[in-house]
Amino acid sequence: SAVISQKPSRDICQRGTSLTIQCQVDSQVTMMFWYRQQPGQSLTLIATANQGSEATYESGFVIDKFPISRPNLTFSTLTVSNMSPEDSSIYLCSVPTGEGYTFGSGTRLTVV
Amino acid sequence: DQQVKQNSPSLSVQEGRISILNCDYTNSMFDYFLWYKKYPAEGPTFLISISSIKDKNEDGRFTVFLNKSAKHLSLHIVPSQPGDSAVYFCAASGSEKLVFGKGTKLTVNP
Repeated sequence: SAVISQKPSRDICQRGTSLTIQCQVDSQVTMMFWYRQQPGQSLTLIATANQGSEATYESGFVIDKFPISRPNLTFSTLTVSNMSPEDSSIYLCSVPTGEGYTFGSGTRLTVV
Repeated sequence: DQQVKQNSPSLSVQEGRISILNCDYTNSMFDYFLWYKKYPAEGPTFLISISSIKDKNEDGRFTVFLNKSAKHLSLHIVPSQPGDSAVYFCAASGSEKLVFGKGTKLTVNP
């Protein structure tokens, strides 16, 4: 299965600022997914990032708030823009592999 | 509207006994189901899956049962070990996207 390196593992940010999260995969993958896990909640899909095309956002998530880049088949970034305390969550990237999906180790974001 | 539900936030069992984690879903279009295990400060790790054409899939100590008519699946861990203590997520898919439940925290006591 694929190995994903996700950075940063955690950060504490001031409200109104932006944070960019990076995921590097050790193999080429067509699709990459970005999830959010709010405290006590399930993992919720933010968007699907395909190389060479615009990301597809789920209901409730918009590109201005969560811009995504996918410059090649092994790398993607998610930016959380103009942050508020409600954005405090764990953010994870994921790629389809074999029977299941492989996840990055997650970025724990706290907005103060 | 939650399409995948794990109604038990936590479960505690003794080492060596069976752990049974339950999951219900509402969307009849789901045709593939997965279980993930998550330790603190780590991403979810794939555990076992089942296709809707099956009603059981087994991998070592882990068995997943699917009851399509009841829209219910369960994960059995036998025998449970202290290292199994983690949060377990049920997930369902009808396409490339996964829909997750809220998770069940399993504690296996020595």
